[in-house]
Amino acid sequence: EAGVAQSPRYKIIEKRQSVAFWCNPISGHATLYWYQQILGQGPKLLIQFQNNGVVDDSQLPKDRFSAERLKGVDSTLKIQPAKLEDSAVYLCASSAGLAGYNEQFFGPGTRLTVL
Amino acid sequence: SQKIEQNSEALNIQEGKTATLTCNYTNYSPAYLQWYRQDPGRGPVFLLLIRENEKEKRKERLKVTFDTTLKQSLFHITASQPADSATYLCALDMVASGTYKYIFGTGTRLKVLA
Repeated sequence: EAGVAQSPRYKIIEKRQSVAFWCNPISGHATLYWYQQILGQGPKLLIQFQNNGVVDDSQLPKDRFSAERLKGVDSTLKIQPAKLEDSAVYLCASSAGLAGYNEQFFGPGTRLTVL
Repeated sequence: SQKIEQNSEALNIQEGKTATLTCNYTNYSPAYLQWYRQDPGRGPVFLLLIRENEKEKRKERLKVTFDTTLKQSLFHITASQPADSATYLCALDMVASGTYKYIFGTGTRLKVLA
């Protein structure tokens, strides 16, 4: 089966600019996650969707970050305006459902550099 | 809040030996604990899941143990190979507002020397 697709793979922007990332999960996966991974750290959950509804966005900096999953399939994550500390890899993952026993399938990530 | 501790220092071992990685947590015991492998420039890949009522889980050369008394999980790779060199992440589930989400540790970098 095809894996989780993300684009772009790399992005370099200047601070205060905006940027958007796209994710296409594994077909049929109801749950979609966006993580931020700063160099040397583990992934940090930003937002979690079940179909097209948000189930957790407690760690999403809502003043600058937004995400949507309009038709319950693809998702976009946007940062506006970007700050230097947003430099990180943004990982998208999907799973069959919300239950804790479901494994997560990760995409390759988008490496963002904010100058 | 739940904290997860993994060895931040890299672990170097000789090929053929058993690698043992540690994941300690500070608060409540999770219902599920997962281990992932991450290679440079790639997303994590799921390896094993262990439930709170399981002491041990095996998959080929991999073994995971879960001790809720010690609040610790150990991840073993037997007969290690240079291809096992990667960062290994543990992830604990937490239930918040009736839904599961996972908290990841910082990972331990393993290097298997030929």
